[in-house]
Amino acid sequence: SQQGEEDPQALSIQEGENATMNCSYKTSINNLQWYRQNSGRGLVHLILIRSNEREKHSGRLRVTLDTSKKSSSLLITASRAADTASYFCATDAGQAGTALIFGKGTTLSVSS
Amino acid sequence: DTAVSQTPKYLVTQMGNDKSIKCEQNLGHDTMYWYKQDSKKFLKIMFSYNNKELIINETVPNRFSPKSPDKAHLNLHINSLELGDSAVYFCASSPVQGRGELFFGEGSRLTVL
Repeated sequence: SQQGEEDPQALSIQEGENATMNCSYKTSINNLQWYRQNSGRGLVHLILIRSNEREKHSGRLRVTLDTSKKSSSLLITASRAADTASYFCATDAGQAGTALIFGKGTTLSVSS
Repeated sequence: DTAVSQTPKYLVTQMGNDKSIKCEQNLGHDTMYWYKQDSKKFLKIMFSYNNKELIINETVPNRFSPKSPDKAHLNLHINSLELGDSAVYFCASSPVQGRGELFFGEGSRLTVL
């Protein structure tokens, strides 16, 4: 069954604005990751947050994790046109014989 | 240097044909994966190999057969192609099975007519 669900499905903003995407999941996790996919390209890893962490930063990215609510958010500050892409959360149960389970993604459009 | 490379990038074929997609990683990772991305961008794990050994085999029709000749290569062969097989297939690798960051190839877009 699908583990991660992103919200919203699509987001359109202007350059310079902040973009927030949310992800909810269903079962216990070892860590949660966010990936970006530009149109027609492969997924690129952005950031990993472990289950015992609550917040993590990387450049203009800020990720939060609330394991009690089984949810995470990705904030992109001061967005640029180049941030236009699909963003996916992926959860890792940390068990042998399992793989990352991806959500359905949020499509972000940043217009200049 | 491309870390995870897949060939071909595009594949257009008729129903009933057999086709293969090849994947190679030069990262020295032990684990490789095949994911399928449908037209709604939903990514689903198909297979995972760890050091040439099949670890994950999701509910994929047995028309799909992965082969890992060595830990740097994971190929996907598809028999008797159907319209519903049209999708983008992504190869990925990771240093440790089931954990950590995945490194993806650029995808192979398969169109079955």
